[in-house]
Order: sequence, then structure tokens, then C-alpha cells
Amino acid sequence: DGGITQSPKYLFRKEGQNVTLSCEQNLNHDAMYWYRQDPGQGLRLIYYSQIVNDFQKGDIAEGYSVSREKKESFPLTVTSAQKNPTAFYLCASSSGGSGRAARGTDTQYFGPGTRLTVL
Amino acid sequence: AQSVTQLGSHVSVSEGALVLLRCNYSSSVPPYLFWYVQYPNQGLQLLLKYTSAATLVKGINGFEAEFKKSETSFHLTKPSAHMSDAAEYFCAVIWSPGNTPLVFGKGTRLSVIA
Repeated sequence: DGGITQSPKYLFRKEGQNVTLSCEQNLNHDAMYWYRQDPGQGLRLIYYSQIVNDFQKGDIAEGYSVSREKKESFPLTVTSAQKNPTAFYLCASSSGGSGRAARGTDTQYFGPGTRLTVL
Repeated sequence: AQSVTQLGSHVSVSEGALVLLRCNYSSSVPPYLFWYVQYPNQGLQLLLKYTSAATLVKGINGFEAEFKKSETSFHLTKPSAHMSDAAEYFCAVIWSPGNTPLVFGKGTRLSVIA
């Protein structure tokens, strides 16, 4: 089955710890995204990557880091600098292209999410 | 700044009644528009999308949405609510094609009363 997997489903972090959330896709998509979801705030963009070995900061990148060494993988590290990391984290991917070729291909598909709780 | 507004953080309807969830965007250039649904503790599932091919878009589970450029709106409707429709619904836009991130509204939680 093609899709996006995120692990773990639940993650607990102690104060001062770094933790890494996994996101893997077998859809052969070029682009991958990380969003953070808090109650009543919708989804906010943390980082995104349009191609391997390249990524851009989103609206709330402070305290997070990412890497994109492989097309299928886009792990997110929540560092100790992130002061309020308790949230639901969602990974997404899209196939993309540019200009007219991109029309209809920008649909983002989401993984099942990881719920991170700081103890 | 370009934004997406969902009117009403919580909508409650009776089973069998019309569902109407509102979404407005702020831009003079029509974006690509999406509606997603999220069930508790799950990821987002695409309901439907508008990419300028037709103004009335039909999606899964009996939902549809109409793009109205003059009103900068993309409201989601379903003629008859079912208990299984209870979920959170998100309107989202991409302002230009090419693997750009989605900009989301804050979401509307739909409750269906028996």
C-alpha cells in the first residue's frame, strides 16, 4: 500500500530532551511538509522540503530542525529550545511540478500524526 | 497578508439536516482551494479540491463545494448530515502551484445530533 507513515503515534518528552519524529512516504513524492496542530489554531507550517537536500523554514520553525537526505524520509527533531512542544504533529507530501504541469498535482496527503507530550 | 477564514469554530446540525461550513479567502487572485476532514487523533483526509476546472466541485461522502470568485468563498455543503460526518473540517489554500505549503483556516468542528 502506498502512503505516509509517522512514528511513533505517541511520544513523551522530558524537559530539556531532544526528540525526533519520523515521517516516511512511498508515494514517490518530491515535496514533504511538517505541520503543527494545536486546538483551535488549525495547522501551522514548521518546515517543508521541495527536493532532496533542500528545505525551507515555515511560520513556526524556531526550536525545530529537519533533514532531507532521502526522497522518502523527512524526520523532524524537536529540540530543547522549543518551549511549548506539546502538540499534534502532522507530516504531508505532494507530487508537485511547476507552472501548468503543477495544476491538479498539488494535493497534499497526510500521515496519521504523532502526538507529543512534554512531561 | 493572505489568509483563510472559517466562520464558526463549532457547527451543530441535526441528523438529516443540511450541512453548511463556510470558508473565505483573502486574495484578488483565485487560489487552489481544498477541504480536508479530520477524525479524532487521525491525520487529514482530502474531501475535495478546486483547481479552476469547474466552480462546483463534488467530493467524497456526499460533500460538495462551490467556488464563488465575487464572494471569495468556497463553502462546503452536504444535503443531509449523517452521524458519521461528525469531525473537524479544514479549509486550506495554495496561492500558486508548485509544491507550496498549504495555508489553513482554523477549522470547524461539526457535531451531528440524533
